[in-house]
Amino acid sequence: DTGVSQDPRHKITKRGQNVTFRCDPISEHNRLYWYRQTLGQGPEFLTYFQNEAQLEKSRLLSDRFSAERPKGSFSTLEIQRTEQGDSAMYLCASSSLGTDTEAFFGQGTRLTVV
Amino acid sequence: GNSVTQMEGPVTLSEEAFLTINCTYTATGYPSLFWYVQYPGEGLQLLLKATKADDKGSNKGFEATYRKETTSFHLEKGSVQVSDSAVYFCALPTGRRALTFGSGTRLQVQP
Repeated sequence: DTGVSQDPRHKITKRGQNVTFRCDPISEHNRLYWYRQTLGQGPEFLTYFQNEAQLEKSRLLSDRFSAERPKGSFSTLEIQRTEQGDSAMYLCASSSLGTDTEAFFGQGTRLTVV
Repeated sequence: GNSVTQMEGPVTLSEEAFLTINCTYTATGYPSLFWYVQYPGEGLQLLLKATKADDKGSNKGFEATYRKETTSFHLEKGSVQVSDSAVYFCALPTGRRALTFGSGTRLQVQP
């Protein structure tokens, strides 16, 4: 297993377009997280899945954002009608069940909205 | 809610210097505390953690002690190397399973 992988690594899109990112977690991990990181800041939590169930969503996740994990394996994060303020690094992480288990992060998808 | 405050960077040190990066937290109860590191071009990696008060987490020569009296979890290393140059994030759990991160401290180690 090569760890958490995210695709694409970079995405440039025009304002108003829709974009979708994919995350493949470590295969045996039940938990999957999405975070957003802007320049000079720490990651901010967006949403969390346990298997296929989306159990928690941040207030940062506006109606234009939707995330899925249909079979409890890979996950997608879609942003509709992108805005310049959506420009950021989108990070995916996964972890196994249990208390205080380590979250493993992917390298992220850098989104630039022009 | 739970939050962390980190010292601002960048921190610039010469090789073999002593490192301290300050982190203080605000939390309900006594959650686990974490330090993550982000090397250039790589994803975040867990550096160390402490799960209860007075615990000391350690890894790769880095240490941090969970101090509830001062609500702190400062990161220290006795002798830094150029390869330690990275951004360091203090974090703690919030909500069900999410982490809240500090804003990060960039460390630059010069040879």
